[in-house]
Amino acid sequence: DSGVTQTPKHLITATGQRVTLRCSPRSGDLSVYWYQQSLDQGLQFLIQYYNGEERAKGNILERFSAQQFPDLHSELNLSSLELGDSALYFCASSVASTGELFFGEGSRLTVL
Amino acid sequence: AQKITQTQPGMFVQEKEAVTLDCTYDTSDPSYGLFWYKQPSSGEMIFLIYQGSYDQQNATEGRYSLNFQKARKSANLVISASQLGDSAMYFCAMRPLGDGNTGKLIFGQGTTLQVKP
Repeated sequence: DSGVTQTPKHLITATGQRVTLRCSPRSGDLSVYWYQQSLDQGLQFLIQYYNGEERAKGNILERFSAQQFPDLHSELNLSSLELGDSALYFCASSVASTGELFFGEGSRLTVL
Repeated sequence: AQKITQTQPGMFVQEKEAVTLDCTYDTSDPSYGLFWYKQPSSGEMIFLIYQGSYDQQNATEGRYSLNFQKARKSANLVISASQLGDSAMYFCAMRPLGDGNTGKLIFGQGTTLQVKP
């Protein structure tokens, strides 16, 4: 158990819909990272938050947004969903900018 | 450009034998960390081993060791005495640590390892 909690574990929805993925980092970790893993793109960095502030942006679509709340949990919002958004979405956390990232078990999104 | 390259999409190894998974990286940052993660079929990402760019010794963690060759920009993972439970996808990743870097991990495309009984 990495200490990073992601919900839901599985989600099936239809095109055009909106979903919210939730992440609780390890206790004490200030940084939260979101990654998308799909078969054709591999593991892609989406966005990072540090202590509530956006720190870095990767290959995140404009239809996607995220935030980190004062209690440090984070949410990734995916809207106007397309078939190609089907993927495994990981949240990871770390206490600092060095050392390993601890990953949650992922949220598997299926868009039908 | 910062990039991780894993050239072996799939590998087979006989149980109890050793196997090396290749990883090369590209970065202009003088300071960086190199990681290996294991992803079994269940999907979770499991941290295996870490090597800092200034570490003099190659990292080892149990049956895992990292063959770090800085001049060649390679960070190969060696798994000794393979077990059936080692069958999984393995990802090499880099974390640039210089000024301006935020700590995100850059991943390679992964290598699928299958251990044969």
